[in-house]
Amino acid sequence: GAVVSQHPSRVICKSGTSVKIECRSLDFQATTMFWYRQFPKKSLMLMATSNEGSKATYEQGVEKDKFLINHASLTLSTLTVTSAHPEDSSFYICSAARGSGRPPYEQYFGPGTRLTVT
Amino acid sequence: EDQVTQSPEALRLQEGESSSLNCSYTVSGLRGLFWYRQDPGKGPEFLFTLYSAGEEKEKERLKATLTKKESFLHITAPKPEDSATYLCAVGTYGKLTFGQGTILTVHP
Repeated sequence: GAVVSQHPSRVICKSGTSVKIECRSLDFQATTMFWYRQFPKKSLMLMATSNEGSKATYEQGVEKDKFLINHASLTLSTLTVTSAHPEDSSFYICSAARGSGRPPYEQYFGPGTRLTVT
Repeated sequence: EDQVTQSPEALRLQEGESSSLNCSYTVSGLRGLFWYRQDPGKGPEFLFTLYSAGEEKEKERLKATLTKKESFLHITAPKPEDSATYLCAVGTYGKLTFGQGTILTVHP
């Protein structure tokens, strides 16, 4: 159990266009979903925390108007990179938290999406 | 500010050569320490959660331990398929802060 999928796995887009990445928890309902960004040979940087039916909480320095997060259900969250620029090229990874009792809950990660902006 | 430091940055072992990875942390209010494995181009794979000092957990060749200031991931008789980046993260309410990872390479 605890499988998380992401789609697409790779996307190439032109500068100025928008890209949507989907994150789904396949066999459990996620209390919370998270979006991370990872640069080459670096660790994961938390971008935002998303709860179903409420606005996402963004980390300091992350532009909420550029990285739009929608958490429509307990199994689906989407990240839209708006007006993408080459500096937005990165590996984006989502995670879904499954747990009961006390937080922080164990997070299960998707396989990641490689975004390249040309 | 929560800080997580992993050492060494990279570790090269021969198959069968046991070793340990370290994760030291300074957090206000540790609620859990997590270990993940990440293969290149993939998302992290959950390994362990430890909640209190003295706690230990095992899975195949891996054993994780926790003290008040650090955690160790012990790898016994590693195999080439254990090669990966191992990440630790500390959890506070609802959030994980990750270390930079240890890149483990096991040679046959």
